[in-house]
Amino acid sequence: NAGVTQTPKFRVLKTGQSMTLLCAQDMNHEYMYWYRQDPGMGLRLIHYSVGEGTTAKGEVPDGYNVSRLKKQNFLLGLESAAPSQTSVYFCASAVRGEKLFFGSGTQLSVL
Amino acid sequence: DAKTTQPPSMDCAEGRAANLPCNHSTISGNEYVYWYRQIHSQGPQYIIHGLKNNETNEMASLIITEDRKSSTLILPHATLRDTAVYYCIVREGNNNDMRFGAGTRLTVKP
Repeated sequence: NAGVTQTPKFRVLKTGQSMTLLCAQDMNHEYMYWYRQDPGMGLRLIHYSVGEGTTAKGEVPDGYNVSRLKKQNFLLGLESAAPSQTSVYFCASAVRGEKLFFGSGTQLSVL
Repeated sequence: DAKTTQPPSMDCAEGRAANLPCNHSTISGNEYVYWYRQIHSQGPQYIIHGLKNNETNEMASLIITEDRKSSTLILPHATLRDTAVYYCIVREGNNNDMRFGAGTRLTVKP
């Protein structure tokens, strides 16, 4: 099993560009999460989903959108990237929101 | 509002027990205590969680005080590979999100 796979691993954007980060899990987990981690900081929850077709806001949802059209995938979109969104993005999945399994992260730079 | 308080950093000698404290004085009856760790820039890794009883698994032990206002994560024989940031999280059983604070940076020294 691959577990939680994030693509891409690295990306550089210009201010105002859009992009989508993909998170895929093969563990049949119901819950999925998107976090961001700024240098020297802890993780902050952006959005999460408790099942296919459902999403909810976390601590820092502004500037991001998400979709969970399929159970195994959780997409994070940036419609108009800003330098403040430069960060490392982590995706996670869980059976019921207890034991989270994390991906290896996506390093995003917005110039 | 932060639900947990952890020291920003700690050192531990290799081979000795590492005891990482966490204060959660406002914890309510249905909130669990979770511990994760993050090694370098990898994604966090689940360690252990508990409600009120002490818990042990192959990675660590979790000791929760009787009043549940604080807990300690114990790594019985720390190795250099245990150097990481350790996060203590308090979460309601029915709550769907998991929020991380700043954590404790544990450095295991030879």
